[in-house]
Amino acid sequence: AQSVTQLDSQVPVFEEAPVELRCNYSSSVSVYLFWYVQYPNQGLQLLLKYLSGSTLVKGINGFEAEFNKSQTSFHLRKPSVHISDTAEYFCAVSDRGGGFKTIFGAGTRLFVKA
Amino acid sequence: NAGVTQTPKFQVLKTGQSMTLQCAQDMNHEYMSWYRQDPGMGLRLIHYSVGAGITDQGEVPNGYNVSRSTTEDFPLRLLSAAPSQTSVYFCASSQSGGSNQPQHFGDGTRLSIL
Repeated sequence: AQSVTQLDSQVPVFEEAPVELRCNYSSSVSVYLFWYVQYPNQGLQLLLKYLSGSTLVKGINGFEAEFNKSQTSFHLRKPSVHISDTAEYFCAVSDRGGGFKTIFGAGTRLFVKA
Repeated sequence: NAGVTQTPKFQVLKTGQSMTLQCAQDMNHEYMSWYRQDPGMGLRLIHYSVGAGITDQGEVPNGYNVSRSTTEDFPLRLLSAAPSQTSVYFCASSQSGGSNQPQHFGDGTRLSIL
């Protein structure tokens, strides 16, 4: 069975500082990986995805993530955050072998302070 | 395009009442799903559908029913509401349901059961 662990439930950071949100997964098969962002009172929006190819994936709003197969990680990074990045971020994994189910992590709340 | 539309946005029910959460998408997506979001638990899959007339159970299906008579609509029914069903409910859709497809989410229905 697959699982996703987001290692930090909350990450406070000052504006213009770099940030890393950590995600580890476990799976017996190869996976696709996603990061979603949820702003207050809204649904989730796709930030970026790793399907194949380069392990460094760039997404919207200046975010990027790196797939590390040996460490089963998919950490999300941004070199300089803005107040508007305050939101909850979810890491998600789905099975390459087929099926229709995506497993979501518990979420990391990013709080950017002025 | 409206994307994925959920109604109502908020609802308060008494224990034992029934209700239907509506979900409609205008993207001609084959795959639709319902999740519940609870603090610290991320999103958990309730039911999903891979096309009109086809539905299946997710991780937490008990107490909920679904049907899919058209491609556009995927309502979620609470048969006899219980306080444990207090949650935020999200409907999502994707183009084909393949595990490499990102999902498009509605803005959610916030449901309180008294």
